[in-house]
Amino acid sequence: EADIYQTPRYLVIGTGKKITLECSQTMGHDKMYWYQQDPGMELHLIHYSYGVNSTEKGDLSSESTVSRIRTEHFPLTLESARPSHTSQYLCASSETAMNTEAFFGQGTRLTVV
Amino acid sequence: GENVEQHPSTLSVQEGDSAVIKCTYSDSASNYFPWYKQELGKGPQLIIDIRSNVGEKKDQRIAVTLNKTAKHFSLHITETQPEDSAVYFCAASFGNEKLTFGTGTRLTIIP
Repeated sequence: EADIYQTPRYLVIGTGKKITLECSQTMGHDKMYWYQQDPGMELHLIHYSYGVNSTEKGDLSSESTVSRIRTEHFPLTLESARPSHTSQYLCASSETAMNTEAFFGQGTRLTVV
Repeated sequence: GENVEQHPSTLSVQEGDSAVIKCTYSDSASNYFPWYKQELGKGPQLIIDIRSNVGEKKDQRIAVTLNKTAKHFSLHITETQPEDSAVYFCAASFGNEKLTFGTGTRLTIIP
């Protein structure tokens, strides 16, 4: 079983609020990722990190930001939530070695009202 | 960059029958092709993967085939069971590059 955790599982919040989605892994993985999953199932990469102090934007433009101060922790922040941010957010991690499995957390379902 | 197409988007199969999901990729350098299963309320989980030096891999009722010349790979599930109902994603990558996922297939097993 994957040792990667996301909190909260569900979040309903008002427009304009600042939110942080937490993601932690205990596997010592250098690579970490954030995906946004729309109701149509498709996974969109919004941020990734290959190690401490390394963050990159993914394929889908996002107003969120991320930080990687510690290997095990990769939080995602929205400074001012909007209804368009309503979605499922999935965090994942993998080893540095080539062609290795990505482990996913259970996701945070965010609803902005 | 890599582009992965996945078909079909939805698939309904009678329990006990076989299910096949197909993916094509664009970057001939890609050499790693995993398949993930996502159950309701959970994150995707790896079920099988194949590397470019292998044409076929099997794990109990699940098998994956790879055709590098045609740049496509397929997931085969035999003797389907209700617990196989889920969303399945294919993916491709090269070396240390990040995975590129397909658009997903919602598989429903009809009892």
